[in-house]
Amino acid sequence: DAGVIQSPRHEVTEMGQEVTLRCKPISGHDYLFWYRQTMMRGLELLIYFNNNVPIDDSGMPEDRFSAKMPNASFSTLKIQPSEPRDSAVYFCASSLGSGTQYFGPGTRLLVL
Amino acid sequence: KQEVTQIPAALSVPEGENLVLNCSFTDSAIYNLQWFRQDPGKGLTSLLLIQSSQREQTSGRLNASLDKSSGRSTLYIAASQPGDSATYLCAVPQGGSEKLVFGKGTKLTVNP
Repeated sequence: DAGVIQSPRHEVTEMGQEVTLRCKPISGHDYLFWYRQTMMRGLELLIYFNNNVPIDDSGMPEDRFSAKMPNASFSTLKIQPSEPRDSAVYFCASSLGSGTQYFGPGTRLLVL
Repeated sequence: KQEVTQIPAALSVPEGENLVLNCSFTDSAIYNLQWFRQDPGKGLTSLLLIQSSQREQTSGRLNASLDKSSGRSTLYIAASQPGDSATYLCAVPQGGSEKLVFGKGTKLTVNP
């Protein structure tokens, strides 16, 4: 398997623009996680899905953030409108549940 | 609310030295604990997963121990090599969920 795939790897945008991050989990995994990593706050879980259903979105910072998982092989994290404080590395991870989480390479987002 | 602390934040050692990284967590009702490695600009790579019923887990030169009652885990690296230089993070579930709470990590530098 190719592992967790994320796109784009880098994104530079201007404040107020919409940003969409994409993730393809490992085939067969039934859990998908979105994390955000910053120097100040470290690695934080934003939301996770089980069998395409959102289970815990308590980490989503505000209404500007939304995540979807239309099928078992694809998820998106959308920020609209983006702000400079959203600049971070966003990771997607997947797992079989109660087991090892496998992380993607991340998307480096810079909002100017 | 689960909180995870890793000490030290940074560690520099000469090649060949054995070393211990520490992780402590506030809620001992966990079902596993994971150690990850993160190289600069990369995603996280799972190193070891210890189930709550286990006291330790080994992989090559790495040995992780878990003491649930005291809320502590250690990662022991034997005969360190420059290639071990990375940030090491530990993570535990929050409550009985799949949500992982991460420490801020220990940045390890092994000098040749």
